[in-house]
Amino acid sequence: SAVISQKPSRDICQRGTSLTIQCQVDSQVTMMFWYRQQPGQSLTLIATANQGSEATYESGFVIDKFPISRPNLTFSTLTVSNMSPEDSSIYLCSVATPGTGELFFGEGSRLTVL
Amino acid sequence: GQSLEQPSEVTAVEGAIVQINCTYQTSGFYGLSWYQQHDGGAPTFLSYNALDGLEETGRFSSFLSRSDSYGYLLLQELQMKDSASYFCAVRAPGNQFYFGTGTSLTVIP
Repeated sequence: SAVISQKPSRDICQRGTSLTIQCQVDSQVTMMFWYRQQPGQSLTLIATANQGSEATYESGFVIDKFPISRPNLTFSTLTVSNMSPEDSSIYLCSVATPGTGELFFGEGSRLTVL
Repeated sequence: GQSLEQPSEVTAVEGAIVQINCTYQTSGFYGLSWYQQHDGGAPTFLSYNALDGLEETGRFSSFLSRSDSYGYLLLQELQMKDSASYFCAVRAPGNQFYFGTGTSLTVIP
């Protein structure tokens, strides 16, 4: 199992600003995943963060908008840049138990952009 | 690309059995997972199928047919606390997970 801490848990931001979300895991993991969940919707994978290499972004997501850092095996950050109201979502950090179908999630960061 | 379809809403009576289906189209496939999410909470893992057949975990069972690109989650002896959203998710060859459209389950007395 894994315990994941995310900060901030929620924030209200002004359009055009940027916010960095932090994710701390209680064990070393190779891959960390960042998801977005818009209100009433499913989870959409933004990118996979690997330690020591560039993050891998999914179709529709770009590094300029969602830069990711992965400085070590227990920590990652996701920045939401130049925010607009359409970025209002819950952002979730997750890790997987290797070789299984089990994902563990942080409690999420609920962003509201005005 | 990845596409996973689920019914949007299901309603069932307390004590009954309900089945939530998931059909998928993916460019690669390692297995199918199921997650539960209560309002305001993070998703929590329920079950995983890498091979065809039925996996049972307490009141929850999950089924997979790889040839049909189909799976389902079976919830037995429904309780009010089972009211939540349920998501299937494909584990892809890069070990990423792609989620289905989600099913909102309402359990009524």
